[in-house]
Amino acid sequence: QKEVEQNSGPLSVPEGAIASLNCTYSDRGSQSFFWYRQYSGKSPELIMSIYSNGDKEDGRFTAQLNKASQYVSLLIRDSQPSDSATYLCAVNKGRGSTLGRLYFGRGTQLTVWP
Amino acid sequence: GAGVSQSPSNKVTEKGKDVELRCDPISGHTALYWYRQRLGQGLEFLIYFQGNSAPDKSGLPSDRFSAERTGESVSTLTIQRTQQEDSAVYLCASSFRGYNEQFFGPGTRLTVL
Repeated sequence: QKEVEQNSGPLSVPEGAIASLNCTYSDRGSQSFFWYRQYSGKSPELIMSIYSNGDKEDGRFTAQLNKASQYVSLLIRDSQPSDSATYLCAVNKGRGSTLGRLYFGRGTQLTVWP
Repeated sequence: GAGVSQSPSNKVTEKGKDVELRCDPISGHTALYWYRQRLGQGLEFLIYFQGNSAPDKSGLPSDRFSAERTGESVSTLTIQRTQQEDSAVYLCASSFRGYNEQFFGPGTRLTVL
């Protein structure tokens, strides 16, 4: 079983719609959860972090965490063509010998069409 | 302030040669990480430095790979006797501490001919 799994996509939504990206993780004790955006040919850019159950909103982005279900999601409201990118879910177990490393999903490619 | 910087941005080398990649973390960040991303693939953890603690080398794929960090500053990743399968983008990230948000540099694209 992979540490972090994401819908492989691609996901295509019209401009102005809500894009929903999902991620599950295998280690129930994981502590920190992150969403990165990666444009083609560029490095990952941190867009959201979430540490406790519930929702966290930042502008058009909302991250949702459910530790009981081992599930993290990212909602992008009012999607724009500039949101077209690959979205990476990353998990930090936050303890012991794996304190620092992030475990990444394969990413979901999002296309927002005008 | 300045972000994570990496050099060179591109490196083309011949199979069997050694290469050195450099990473300069965000000032004040005590943790530094190296990841690798092969074309069309996800990010693969390589190594993690936290302050003066022994590094977590568990992700290094072979003994041809090594990395050093001087204190809480610059790090170099060295690949000896490069192979074609080493071709990838090598990404460096830093964070304030080991479990905080990680910020990535622009990466070094390594091509082994």
